[in-house]
Amino acid sequence: DIQMTQSPSSLSASVGDRVTITCRASREFSNYLAWYQQKPGKVPRLLIHAASTLQSGVPSRFSGSGSGTYFTLTISSLQPEDVATYYCQTYNTAPRITFGGGTRVEI
Amino acid sequence: EVQLVESGGGLVQPGGSLRLSCAASGFTFSIYSMNWIRQAPGKGLEWVSYISSSSGVIYYADSVKGRFTISRDNAQNSLYLQMNGLRAEDTAVYYCGRDLDDTGRELGGYCDHWGQGTVVTVSS
Repeated sequence: DIQMTQSPSSLSASVGDRVTITCRASREFSNYLAWYQQKPGKVPRLLIHAASTLQSGVPSRFSGSGSGTYFTLTISSLQPEDVATYYCQTYNTAPRITFGGGTRVEI
Repeated sequence: EVQLVESGGGLVQPGGSLRLSCAASGFTFSIYSMNWIRQAPGKGLEWVSYISSSSGVIYYADSVKGRFTISRDNAQNSLYLQMNGLRAEDTAVYYCGRDLDDTGRELGGYCDHWGQGTVVTVSS
């Protein structure tokens, strides 16, 4: 099974800052990686799939990149509404699907 | 509008059973694979189980294999999770999620829509 290590586990940044979250995989796999945002008390929301494809309706300040074992989620200009916990997730990796441990983003 | 509504959660004693349901609407349920994902209090997301559109392919997390059974009824637009032998560590919010992938190979995808979740508490 692939293990996903997210870092940092939490961060604090200012409005307008560029924020980068990383996910490292325990072994190489195809770029079947998704990112989710979960605001406090809310349901997770899909942001990105296939490592870099932005889901419809997601603001363009969010972007994803990476390949192999190293993937990143970047918020180009942090906004107050971006306060949330962000998770990466592998897919097409049957028989297991793995989430990263999460990164809490605060302002 | 895609809607997923979970039900069936509650308080159960260790060793007990619960059956969760997820009612789907707003899309053609029968052509989508589905997932159950859970989140323990104050913790991260944990994938629980996957079922393909025809029920022909099923996967489980190691933590629930042998105790939980996923199923679906496409005629009723419903997804289920039968949970037996419940343990304290199964306490969580359980979400159903509509599965999408980029290959169609039924290897487990990502979730583009999630229900609001149902709370399962295992305690004596």
